[in-house]
This record gives sequence, C-alpha cells and structure tokens, in this order.
Amino acid sequence: DIQMTQSPSVLSASVGDRVTLSCKASQNINKNLDWYQQKLGEAPKLLIYFTNNLQTGIPSRFSGSGSGTDYTLTISSLQPEDVATYYCYQYNSGPTFGAGTKLELK
Amino acid sequence: QIQLVQSGPELKKPGESLKISCKASGYTFTDYAMQWVKQAPGKGLQYMGWINTQTGKPTYADDFKERFVFSLETSASTAYLQINNLKNEDTATYFCASDGYWGQGVMVTVSS
Repeated sequence: DIQMTQSPSVLSASVGDRVTLSCKASQNINKNLDWYQQKLGEAPKLLIYFTNNLQTGIPSRFSGSGSGTDYTLTISSLQPEDVATYYCYQYNSGPTFGAGTKLELK
Repeated sequence: QIQLVQSGPELKKPGESLKISCKASGYTFTDYAMQWVKQAPGKGLQYMGWINTQTGKPTYADDFKERFVFSLETSASTAYLQINNLKNEDTATYFCASDGYWGQGVMVTVSS
C-alpha cells in the first residue's frame, strides 16, 4: 500500500499568512492526488483535484502543486474560515488518505 | 445540483447488522463510481473501497474485505453499505462519495 505522510500534523498561523501544507507519498503517485478540507462536524470538501486543479467554487487563494512523491497545498492568504483539517488523498494505487494537517489560527 | 443524501444515525449492539443508504441526485448515477469512507471518532479518513455503478462490482480495501458489503439499487440512484456482525470498533461516521461530492455522513454507534 502507498503511505501518505502529511506535515505538519498541526499548524498555527495568523490571518493573512501564506500557509503551506505538505504531503509525501511512499512511491511515485503520478500526480494522482486530491486535497480535501474538513471542518468540524462536516463532510470533507474537495478543494484541489489531480494535484493542481481548483474545484469549482473554491476560492483562488487555494492552490496545489507537486509531482512524483512530493505534493503541496498552499493558501496564499489565510482567512478565519480556513480553520479546518486538510487531507491529501492519492488514487494512483489502492487509494489512501494522509493523516491530516489541522490548521489553527494563532 | 449534485447531492448525496445518506440515511440517519444508527445505534446497534455487537453482533447485529445494519444497512446504510446513499441516495444520489443531480447527475446520472451510473456515470461515476461510488466510494465509501470511514471516520472513527476524532480520527482521520479511512478509504473502505468503491463500487462500479455500471456493473455493480465492488472492490474492498484490505481492512474491509470481511463483514462489509457494497450494493446498488440503480433504479433508485442509491448505493448501500451493509456491515455484518458489528463490532465496537465499527463505531464511526461513514461517508459515501462520488466524483468529489460527499454525503453528509452516517454516525454509527455500536455498544452493548
């Protein structure tokens, strides 16, 4: 199985900060990676699909990048409503989720 | 708009069975596969597997090859997750998902 390692596990940042979340795969996943946002008590919401494609309706401050085994979700200017847990999800082989990064306001 | 609406919360005893539904609307049901995801209390997301909505063929992740059954009622645009011989560790919220859209989740509690 492909293991997905997200870092950091918890991130504290201030409103307006540029925030970068990382996801590392145990083997090449050929950009077959999505990013999800989950707020407390809600279902996950798709933010980015196939590494760098913004889902319809998602603010442009969210962006994704990466290739091979290393992938990144960037929030260009953190907003209060971005407080959530973020999961990467690979579907190259035997789909798996990362353990999540909990994003908090400082 | 695309919606996945799941059935209500469940409280079961160990050894019992349950069947959760996921009704799709706003798109052609057979255009996209249906995935199932488990989230234990306070934990992350765990991929359970998927069902081909055209053929009805299920594929289960390793941890879900026993006791878990995916099925369809295509005429009703509905997918089902059945869990047999429930265990305490099945206590979780179960989500269906298709083409990036997710149901609201079903909270299942297993307790004697």
